[in-house]
Parts: sequence; C-alpha cells; structure tokens
Amino acid sequence: ETGVTQTPRHLVMGMTNKKSLKCEQHLGHNAMYWYKQSAKKPLELMFVYSLEERVENNSVPSRFSPECPNSSHLFLHLHTLQPEDSALYLCASSQGHGRAGEQFFGPGTRLTVL
Amino acid sequence: ILNVEQSPQSLHVQEGDSTNFTCSFPSSNFYALHWYRWETAKSPEALFVMTLNGDEKKKGRISATLNTKEGYSYLYIKGSQPEDSATYLCAFISNFGNEKLTFGTGTRLTIIP
Repeated sequence: ETGVTQTPRHLVMGMTNKKSLKCEQHLGHNAMYWYKQSAKKPLELMFVYSLEERVENNSVPSRFSPECPNSSHLFLHLHTLQPEDSALYLCASSQGHGRAGEQFFGPGTRLTVL
Repeated sequence: ILNVEQSPQSLHVQEGDSTNFTCSFPSSNFYALHWYRWETAKSPEALFVMTLNGDEKKKGRISATLNTKEGYSYLYIKGSQPEDSATYLCAFISNFGNEKLTFGTGTRLTIIP
C-alpha cells in the first residue's frame, strides 16, 4: 500500500462514452501526476499538477482532461477516446515537483476502449 | 527527446544467483536518476534516488551505482529470491527544463525457484 489509490481498477468504454478516472493520495504531497503505459512502451508523463495548478501538459490530446480540485485528489476525464488510448493509466504523487524526490504510484486503471 | 534505455529487456535467474542490469541515459544535463521496482498487479515502488556521480546505494540485497559522466547506472541483486521477480524501471531527470521523469522500458526479472 503506497498511500495512493485509484478507481476504478478496470474500465471498458465505448468511443462515444464519457468517463472519469480518480486518484487520491493520503501522503500530504503537493504534486500529482498522470502517466500512461501502453504495451511495450515506457511510462509516459501526461500531466503534472503542483500546488493544484497544472504545470505540465505533455502534448496530450484534448480528449483527456485533467482536474485537480485539491492537493489530495486528481481526476482524468475521458471523452470520445480512440481504441489506441487503451492502456494502463497510473497516478503518482510527490512532495514538491521539480525536485529529485521519489514518486509514489497508485496501482493504475486498466482502460480498454472498444 | 531524451533517450533512456534499459538492458536486458528480460532476464531469468536461478534462485540464489546474483544478477545485474543496466540503465543508460544522456550524460549531459544530469539532475537525478530513479530506480523503481514494479511487481505484477502492484504499484511501482521507489528503490533509489541517485543524484551524485559515483553514488552507490544499498537496500538489503539490492544495490545501485551511478556514473553520470558516461551516462549509466547498474542495479545489482545479490542472492536472488522469488520475491525479487518484478520489472525494474529507471527514470532520468534532466536539469534542463521542467525536471520531469523520463522512464526506460524496464528490465523484467524472473527468478526461477
């Protein structure tokens, strides 16, 4: 148990659906991250929030929309996704973005887009 | 685009044997290197954060070294146990830009009982 939880753990959605992924951290951290892992590819950073402000958008398509209502919660809103968006989506948190400190990861949401 | 490479991609090791694998990263603009262990169906877990050239870090039977001038880090596991089976990821942080983690594709280690 790393102190970072994600729901749901598995999600199957059609291309016309709208869904949201949720991440919650119980570590008192002030930076949160969304990563994507596709098959045979390295973890790719999608978004970074530091002190509840988005500080990084790594050229992610607009069909992915993050939201950070407070320092403990992070959402990823999904709409009109494509089958190639099927992947494992990981959330992470750390104490202070921009430092060398380790990141604490959630277990991920396995997303399948039909 | 930063290139972080890990080798080998996968490795099978007999229980009790020692092993090591490599992470290669750009030798310029180094800020930090992370090692993570990722067991199947679990969360990636940090092993080491390395920042200085020549750093050696140890946690139990696992240790890591860092050479920032030539751009590589080694992870060593001594006396492998079945619970060491996992994917080991390294991630590079450059001091040029926004200090985000750039991950390698990992080394998948399987310990054979």
